[in-house]
Amino acid sequence: SQQGEEDPQALSIQEGENATMNCSYKTSINNLQWYRQNSGRGLVHLILIRSNEREKHSGRLRVTLDTSKKSSSLLITASRAADTASYFCATLNSGGSNYKLTFGKGTLLTVNP
Amino acid sequence: GAGVSQSPSNKVTEKGKDVELRCDPISGHTALYWYRQRLGQGLEFLIYFQGNSAPDKSGLPSDRFSAERTGESVSTLTIQRTQQEDSAVYLCASSLGLRDPQHFGDGTRLSIL
Repeated sequence: SQQGEEDPQALSIQEGENATMNCSYKTSINNLQWYRQNSGRGLVHLILIRSNEREKHSGRLRVTLDTSKKSSSLLITASRAADTASYFCATLNSGGSNYKLTFGKGTLLTVNP
Repeated sequence: GAGVSQSPSNKVTEKGKDVELRCDPISGHTALYWYRQRLGQGLEFLIYFQGNSAPDKSGLPSDRFSAERTGESVSTLTIQRTQQEDSAVYLCASSLGLRDPQHFGDGTRLSIL
């Protein structure tokens, strides 16, 4: 299976609720990144967390990283209809000269007004 | 400031024809990447360029695919003798360096008839 797999595949919530998406990966990483993609558009970078970090915040976003479990979570608090999008995690492997980001298949988040 | 620009935004062509996709990265970004995204899927790495180093072509699916980059500016992705399975959105991204967040264009939607 792919490095960087998101869970759940789809999530539907009401405006104002929190949304949590999870990502699992298989190999050692240098960093893990979360991106958002609106329908028909390119990806927008949200947040990068390095392998020696455990938690990062950016506005309504909170990302955690557990390298022992090879997993990360993205929490969006007080969700808005504009948060409706697909969310992808991507991992950058550690070591060597491999600088390819490996993306999961994404979580489709729908925030209902 | 200008973001990553891709052209054309849409391309419809007949099976067997060659296509050329263009990407203008953000000025000053040394790294440039090409990805393929099939409907409802995550991103599939194709190739990246970093400065004057040899590109990492390990993701190109066949010898029908090639890409070039002129210095640290424009890149073109060429697909020869297109097949129906080449239908996808082709996304370009650029970044300051290989470990930095990537900035994406809106992609070229390629349809092979």
